[in-house]
Amino acid sequence: GAVVSQHPSRVICKSGTSVKIECRSLDFQATTMFWYRQFPKKSLMLMATSNEGSKATYEQGVEKDKFLINHASLTLSTLTVTSAHPEDSSFYICSAALGLSYEQYFGPGTRLTVT
Amino acid sequence: SQKIEQNSEALNIQEGKTATLTCNYTNYSPAYLQWYRQDPGRGPVFLLLIRENEKEKRKERLKVTFDTTLKQSLFHITASQPADSATYLCAGSEYGNKLVFGAGTILRVKS
Repeated sequence: GAVVSQHPSRVICKSGTSVKIECRSLDFQATTMFWYRQFPKKSLMLMATSNEGSKATYEQGVEKDKFLINHASLTLSTLTVTSAHPEDSSFYICSAALGLSYEQYFGPGTRLTVT
Repeated sequence: SQKIEQNSEALNIQEGKTATLTCNYTNYSPAYLQWYRQDPGRGPVFLLLIRENEKEKRKERLKVTFDTTLKQSLFHITASQPADSATYLCAGSEYGNKLVFGAGTILRVKS
């Protein structure tokens, strides 16, 4: 149980285009999902907290107009990187909390490369 | 700023030995700490959670401790196996589900 999927697993896009990443909780409902970014050999950095039916809460320094988050249902959150630039290239990972538990279940990640 | 620190140097141990990984925190009072395993190019996998009022937690070959005086958590893998080789992440939360992660420690178990 507690499986989270992400799609796509890898994406290469041209500078200036937008990319959408989906995060789904497959066998449970997630009121809250989280989006992280990870650089090579670095820690996971929380970008935003996504709440179903309301606006996402962004961490300091994360541009909300660049990283659009939509949590349309209890099993789906999407992250759209708008007008992507090479510096947006990174590993993006989502997670979901199971009920009232503090344990987070992570998706397999999406490798974004902007050329 | 809040910080979770883990040993950046890789830990190399022999199969069958106990691996001990360290997590220290500063400017921070986590209500709980979590340990995750991450393999290259993959998302983290939850292993154990320990609350500030718990001294020790065990799960199969895994054991984690939480010392609020030392501001430290230790993560042990007993009878280590080559399959345990991975990066292990420590994460803490002062409230709710918002986690602060350490950079992780690479564990290499040699047969």
